[in-house]
Amino acid sequence: DAKTTQPPSMDCAEGRAANLPCNHSTISGNEYVYWYRQIHSQGPQYIIHGLKNNETNEMASLIITEDRKSSTLILPHATLRDTAVYYCIVRVYNAGNMLTFGGGTRLMVKP
Amino acid sequence: DVKVTQSSRYLVKRTGEKVFLECVQDMDHENMFWYRQDPGLGLRLIYFSYDVKMKEKGDIPEGYSVSREKKERFSLILESASTNQTSMYLCASSPPPNFRYSNQPQHFGDGTRLSIL
Repeated sequence: DAKTTQPPSMDCAEGRAANLPCNHSTISGNEYVYWYRQIHSQGPQYIIHGLKNNETNEMASLIITEDRKSSTLILPHATLRDTAVYYCIVRVYNAGNMLTFGGGTRLMVKP
Repeated sequence: DVKVTQSSRYLVKRTGEKVFLECVQDMDHENMFWYRQDPGLGLRLIYFSYDVKMKEKGDIPEGYSVSREKKERFSLILESASTNQTSMYLCASSPPPNFRYSNQPQHFGDGTRLSIL
């Protein structure tokens, strides 16, 4: 699996968009970008994933650069409940494979 | 929504006890996983199962065993609990690699925080 680099922490004002970056410069052609988050004392929660096209669902948008070496997770209107650690993972899509979480970004949404 | 339910949120046991952690999923997923999560070490895979009665060792299987008698249930067993097994234990499930399930990666329970005294 390709290594990812994320900032250790970020702040965001409530109601504003939260943009969380992830660098994955060694990504290979068949590796997907996944985002999970973990709210304190809960299990990880799947957010979104993509290969090369931008993706959007009810939780977030995922923007992947054309060279696929970086991506941005966008929470369009952050709420206090979005305060969590966000993990960017790059791996070959195979739902049977294990996940490896790195350090992640601790997002603090402030009123 | 996928629901993965772990039997206990918090558990305290004594050294040497046999400990059972239970996990149930309601989405008929073939794959189920047990991880432990420790500060600074991230998520580490203990065991996974890709079908009933099938199991595979993960990265850190020593001191653990698993049981998958029914598709929806995956149990983690600490044969003789030790203090270094104090951790957060997470269960997850997912469908098999299949184009039809391309939007459904692993889904996690809320975890069991286990303390071994």
